[in-house]
Amino acid sequence: DAMVIQNPRYQVTQFGKPVTLSCSQTLNHNVMYWYQQKSSQAPKLLFHYYDKDFNNEADTPDNFQSRRPNTSFCFLDIRSPGLGDAAMYLCATSRDPRRVGGYTFGSGTRLTVV
Amino acid sequence: AQTVTQSQPEMSVQEAETVTLSCTYDTSESDYYLFWYKQPPSRQMILVIRQEAYKQQNATENRFSVNFQKAAKSFSLKISDSQLGDAAMYFCASLTQGGSEKLVFGKGTKLTVNP
Repeated sequence: DAMVIQNPRYQVTQFGKPVTLSCSQTLNHNVMYWYQQKSSQAPKLLFHYYDKDFNNEADTPDNFQSRRPNTSFCFLDIRSPGLGDAAMYLCATSRDPRRVGGYTFGSGTRLTVV
Repeated sequence: AQTVTQSQPEMSVQEAETVTLSCTYDTSESDYYLFWYKQPPSRQMILVIRQEAYKQQNATENRFSVNFQKAAKSFSLKISDSQLGDAAMYFCASLTQGGSEKLVFGKGTKLTVNP
């Protein structure tokens, strides 16, 4: 089935040690998003790619970066994770979010910082 | 900027009963879209229902329906004949437009279904 796959499901990293989360899709959607979801908070958009065009949210810390080497893959890099970066990270894709179906989400990667 | 507010952190309902989840939003856009997403524990977020702001008729998907009050900027979700599988976090979201479209979420409502 076409889907959005996030790896790994659970990631433990050390304070200050760079970590990369990955997302792949078989939907051939041209837009890919990264959201940060903390407990009891709304998922917060970090950035998104429209094709190869990178769009950073104004309040996304510089510590967070992203790469999209091709249509199928998108990576979230956290250069120096802090304890406050522990969260669920959601990847989503869309061709046209207004159409029925909207965004397609992955299952998320839960990041723990120790 | 668009904002979405869900004032009910948690709700519970008896199986087979009806429950309504509340959502209000704020936008300066004249054309926008509203969504309810469901996130079961440890599973991916999936779309439950969507509403186009220009449509007066409330959207319905099987047991799920919305009450869209445009003037009041209210967008509630009604779940009829609740089932155990409906237990999840429910997120209300609005779609911004202009340039890159992106979803803005509320904080979510945790729904418990009691047998």
